[in-house]
Amino acid sequence: GENVEQHPSTLSVQEGDSAVIKCTYSDSASNYFPWYKQELGKRPQLIIDIRSNVGEKKDQRIAVTLNKTAKHFSLHITETQPEDSAVYFCAAKGAAGNKLTFGGGTRVLVKP
Amino acid sequence: DAGVIQSPRHEVTEMGQEVTLRCKPISGHDYLFWYRQTMMRGLELLIYFNNNVPIDDSGMPEDRFSAKMPNASFSTLKIQPSEPRDSAVYFCASRAGTGDHQETQYFGPGTRLLVL
Repeated sequence: GENVEQHPSTLSVQEGDSAVIKCTYSDSASNYFPWYKQELGKRPQLIIDIRSNVGEKKDQRIAVTLNKTAKHFSLHITETQPEDSAVYFCAAKGAAGNKLTFGGGTRVLVKP
Repeated sequence: DAGVIQSPRHEVTEMGQEVTLRCKPISGHDYLFWYRQTMMRGLELLIYFNNNVPIDDSGMPEDRFSAKMPNASFSTLKIQPSEPRDSAVYFCASRAGTGDHQETQYFGPGTRLLVL
């Protein structure tokens, strides 16, 4: 089945700096890649997603890039703010099914 | 829309007791997913339903776990008997369909289960 690896597991950045989280996936047929943000004690919430027919997508301060050849995708957060502190999860959905396989998560701390 | 609703929000029980977690998906959504989240194992898919039918239960850890979806607006996840290692946050999520803009999974607030 699909395997998703996520790095780093923790990331500490200064407010205003950029944060980058990287994920790799194993199933070359995967076609949907969402990113979720989970604040402490809360539910995971979708922040951005990308499909396999697109290389990059932006939404204000966040962007996701996809490299299908290398089977990796990344989340970029620019001009980080304290409210960006949370755990971020990447996920991948195989073309054959409807399951999302999640990465292990990245705990991001934005220091003021 | 109220979003995905889960109950109870917190459950503390003793080992050996039966636990029933409940979920109401977003109205009109065709897919319902049950996940378990722990520090050690992260976010794991346990089972998912499509149009009330269980499609993939390969993530259900053992026979003590069972899930049902008797109708489009209600699902249960039951653990019988419960064990301390079942302590986790259990999330329910729903999804509209399979079209390009229907793939987002919306999570409920979760049930925090502690088995003593």
